[in-house]
Amino acid sequence: QKEVEQDPGPLSVPEGAIVSLNCTYSNSAFQYFMWYRQYSRKGPELLMYTYSSGNKEDGRFTAQVDKSSKYISLFIRDSQPSDSATYLCAMRYSGGSNYKLTFGKGTLLTVNP
Amino acid sequence: GAVVSQHPSWVICKSGTSVKIECRSLDFQATTMFWYRQFPKQSLMLMATSNEGSKATYEQGVEKDKFLINHASLTLSTLTVTSAHPEDSSFYICSALRQGTNEQYFGPGTRLTVT
Repeated sequence: QKEVEQDPGPLSVPEGAIVSLNCTYSNSAFQYFMWYRQYSRKGPELLMYTYSSGNKEDGRFTAQVDKSSKYISLFIRDSQPSDSATYLCAMRYSGGSNYKLTFGKGTLLTVNP
Repeated sequence: GAVVSQHPSWVICKSGTSVKIECRSLDFQATTMFWYRQFPKQSLMLMATSNEGSKATYEQGVEKDKFLINHASLTLSTLTVTSAHPEDSSFYICSALRQGTNEQYFGPGTRLTVT
């Protein structure tokens, strides 16, 4: 079983839809959770960053972490064509000097105008 | 804030030559930077962790003599691909850990093509 599982999609939605992206993980030691957006041929852009369980909202984006289920989500409200990209979840352990991120494979999202 | 740049953005080189890629954090300090490799439609593969003033830590299977990493300052890390071969052609991306935080910011990537 991979440490982080993410459905690669592709996911296609109409403009204005609510998008739900998810990742599951197997290692309960993960404490920090991130979502990155990557446009084609570009580096990933940090969208959301959360620590432990709970919700975090930033504009149209909401990140949720459920550590009991080892499940994280990213919701995009009022999706726009400019949101079309690959979304990568990432996570890391807490403490020490190990800042390595473990990534999901990414979900390719297309928002159709 | 939190901008990371990479130079060059793309490079074509001949087999057997060496190529240096620079990664800079423009508006923050980074004691730790990371180098990744990404193949088309795949996720990022961590190659090495670069710590300012010390030797890089390489992931299993990554040749340290082929991928030389130097982290000479709190804002600059370099990756040199030595004796490049066509199989080294890839998208190389660096990231920088913002000092005092757990936030990692990525550069725009460098596309390397070895002919």
